[in-house]
Amino acid sequence: DTAVSQTPKYLVTQMGNDKSIKCEQNLGHDTMYWYKQDSKKFLKIMFSYNNKELIINETVPNRFSPKSPDKAHLNLHINSLELGDSAVYFCASSQVPGGAYEQYFGPGTRLTVT
Amino acid sequence: GIQVEQSPPDLILQEGANSTLRCNFSDSVNNLQWFHQNPWGQLINLFYIPSGTKQNGRLSATTVATERYSLLYISSSQTTDSGVYFCAVEFAFGNEKLTFGTGTRLTIIP
Repeated sequence: DTAVSQTPKYLVTQMGNDKSIKCEQNLGHDTMYWYKQDSKKFLKIMFSYNNKELIINETVPNRFSPKSPDKAHLNLHINSLELGDSAVYFCASSQVPGGAYEQYFGPGTRLTVT
Repeated sequence: GIQVEQSPPDLILQEGANSTLRCNFSDSVNNLQWFHQNPWGQLINLFYIPSGTKQNGRLSATTVATERYSLLYISSSQTTDSGVYFCAVEFAFGNEKLTFGTGTRLTIIP
């Protein structure tokens, strides 16, 4: 059973397009996250949701819009894609916000903008 | 500036060797976790260790929160240990998020 799943695994698209990444967790966790890993492998949090409510927005451009339809799902929509958006995007979940419980990561979505 | 710094940045070892990875953080922390990112990109949680010492098989970790560092020990390395190791901290100034370190890339040669 996959704990945290993401689709698609790979996404290749052109500048200016709009795309979405979906995430689902079956761990019963209350908190979900989106992280971005750049080409140098640096991992940075983008958003955090707790019980479907946005609690962290790390000065991400407005072109990125997360949505949490329920506690088990967190989607990421990106408008007007730019070259600099190329990265691996990870979804994660935990029982509560922050680091008090283990965070579990999805397999990642490798986004390439050409 | 860098808030969570890991050393060394790269480490190449022969199979069977032992290694110590270090994580220094710039401020008081409430929580600390270690992760392994395997060569296929999957991030696996290794330890939740805000203080003290834990062991899991060939891996163990120690956090000395008062001195602002954590160590990850890998004994009798195997090729499957290759990948990037990250520590991640939740700073005590109450931001409810994990800040990831710079990572250590470990390569185990058969």
